[in-house]
Amino acid sequence: DGGITQSPKYLFRKEGQNVTLSCEQNLNHDAMYWYRQDPGQGLRLIYYSQIVNDFQKGDIAEGYSVSREKKESFPLTVTSAQKNPTAFYLCASSRRGDRRNKNIQYFGAGTRLSVL
Amino acid sequence: ELKVEQNPLFLSMQEGKNYTIYCNYSTTSDRLYWYRQDPGKSLESLFVLLSNGAVKQEGRLMASLDTKARLSTLHITAAVHDLSATYFCAVEGPSSGAGSYQLTFGKGTKLSVIP
Repeated sequence: DGGITQSPKYLFRKEGQNVTLSCEQNLNHDAMYWYRQDPGQGLRLIYYSQIVNDFQKGDIAEGYSVSREKKESFPLTVTSAQKNPTAFYLCASSRRGDRRNKNIQYFGAGTRLSVL
Repeated sequence: ELKVEQNPLFLSMQEGKNYTIYCNYSTTSDRLYWYRQDPGKSLESLFVLLSNGAVKQEGRLMASLDTKARLSTLHITAAVHDLSATYFCAVEGPSSGAGSYQLTFGKGTKLSVIP
């Protein structure tokens, strides 16, 4: 089955701790994205990557870091600098984030992060 | 900066009724996407609208795009309970990365269809 797998489904962070959210896709997509969703809000872009070993900051990148060492994988680290990390985190992928393609983004099931 | 506004944000309607959700955006774009999200779940792609005047229909849902008015509508016909969900529109626009186009999402419309 082709798709996007996020893990874990639920994650708890202690004060001062960094945590990493996993996102893996087997759709052979070039572009991958991380969004944050707060209750009653739309999705806000944290980071995105169009190609391996390259990524760009989105609208709310502060307190987060990413890597893109493999095409299939785009992990997100929520660092201790992110003071309000409680949210639902969604990973997505698409063929490519440019004008040549319909950039339908396909989403994973999400990770719900809470602070202990 | 691209801004996307949806209204209403909450919609409670009876089964069998019709209603329209509106999505306005602030800068020129000719690509708009509609997604559905069930509670606690991921987003599912519903429609992709790629040009002015585009209209797409799937079952009881119909989406349209007017790029001159910077407006998309999602029309619900004869609503049924299974349509209860949150609906998001997302507009494609240029981001800071060279040659990169990203989606900006509205806040979503939470639809409750009452039997």
